Amino acid sequence: SAVISQKPSRDICQRGTSLTIQCQVDSQVTMMFWYRQQPGQSLTLIATANQGSEATYESGFVIDKFPISRPNLTFSTLTVSNMSPEDSSIYLCSVGGFDGYTFGSGTRLTVV
Amino acid sequence: AQSVTQPDIHITVSEGASLELRCNYSYGATPYLFWYVQSPGQGLQLLLKYFSGDTLVQGIKGFEAEFKRSQSSFNLRKPSVHWSDAAEYFCAVGAAIQGAQKLVFGQGTRLTINP
Repeated sequence: SAVISQKPSRDICQRGTSLTIQCQVDSQVTMMFWYRQQPGQSLTLIATANQGSEATYESGFVIDKFPISRPNLTFSTLTVSNMSPEDSSIYLCSVGGFDGYTFGSGTRLTVV
Repeated sequence: AQSVTQPDIHITVSEGASLELRCNYSYGATPYLFWYVQSPGQGLQLLLKYFSGDTLVQGIKGFEAEFKRSQSSFNLRKPSVHWSDAAEYFCAVGAAIQGAQKLVFGQGTRLTINP
């Protein structure tokens, strides 16, 4: 299965600023997924990123708040924009399909 | 709509005791089912998956799960837990939603192990 390198692993940010999270995969993949895990909660899909096209966002998530880039088949970034304390969560990227999904180790974001 | 329910938010068992974590799903088609484990400060690790065939599937770390279509369940079991099994466990169903394959997660069950 694919190996994902996600960074940063954690960050503490001031409200109103933005943070860009990077995911690098060791093999070419068609789709990459971005999830949010709020404190004590389950994982919620933010968007699906296909190379060469606009990301597809889930209900409740918008591109202005969570812009995603997918410049090639092994890399993607998620930006959390104009952050507020409510954005404090773990953000994870994932690749795969129904034969099995692999997850990055996550980015623990604290907004103060 | 597809959904996953894990009825137990928190379970505590003694080391060496048996374990069963419950998972019920709602999905109209044949489900792809997964169990993931998340240790503190870690990402998610796949324990096991079910697509078809034998309804009792074996996973890593001594875990197994049984798919019961009549009960829409996919419960995770382990005959004897170890202190290192303390973690958060997530059941998930793979669903085709609007032409895309997506994972829908349950709320998670936090497992605590008593020495």
